[in-house]
Amino acid sequence: DVKVTQSSRYLVKRTGEKVFLECVQDMDHENMFWYRQDPGLGLRLIYFSYDVKMKEKGDIPEGYSVSREKKERFSLILESASTNQTSMYLCASSFEGNTEAFFGQGTRLTVV
Amino acid sequence: EDQVTQSPEALRLQEGESSSLNCSYTVSGLRGLFWYRQDPGKGPEFLFTLYSAGEEKEKERLKATLTKKESFLHITAPKPEDSATYLCAVPSRRYSGNTPLVFGKGTRLSVIA
Repeated sequence: DVKVTQSSRYLVKRTGEKVFLECVQDMDHENMFWYRQDPGLGLRLIYFSYDVKMKEKGDIPEGYSVSREKKERFSLILESASTNQTSMYLCASSFEGNTEAFFGQGTRLTVV
Repeated sequence: EDQVTQSPEALRLQEGESSSLNCSYTVSGLRGLFWYRQDPGKGPEFLFTLYSAGEEKEKERLKATLTKKESFLHITAPKPEDSATYLCAVPSRRYSGNTPLVFGKGTRLSVIA
């Protein structure tokens, strides 16, 4: 079974803090993705990566950065957390090409 | 622009009452359509991939079908445990190379015993 593991299920951070969300996959997938999910807005792509050290901006990259130093790990960084970044964050991975993506369990982040 | 629209937003069924969920898309040159199930507070769980018009996939009480403009998820004799949000997604042409999925907003299904 494919496993995508996110480091935290729930996180509470203060405004202005630097926040790291970690994601690890065990299927040797080339592609990794970060989405956020908000009521009424659905899933929106923040960043993705199709290779180690490669990254591309998604639809809403502002206020975020990413790091992929190893194939199995993809980190999302909130440089200076703000209340409008309170959301459910979902990591996913897939093989290259148009294949299904597998998701982690999600991290519910609250910024106060 | 690639778009995925799902209807209805919410659906309430009695146990055993069959129905269908709709997913329409406007991406040109479809390269796959994906269905997911999402339970509250959890990540989406992959269900099906469809690649060409006329294709069908089945899993237990769920059957997914694909036409040139839309996909249907048919639920036959649903049970309360089928209650979830169902999402469909297509690979977006907005990005180069390997393509992330763009999702519809989902249909929230409630099955009442």
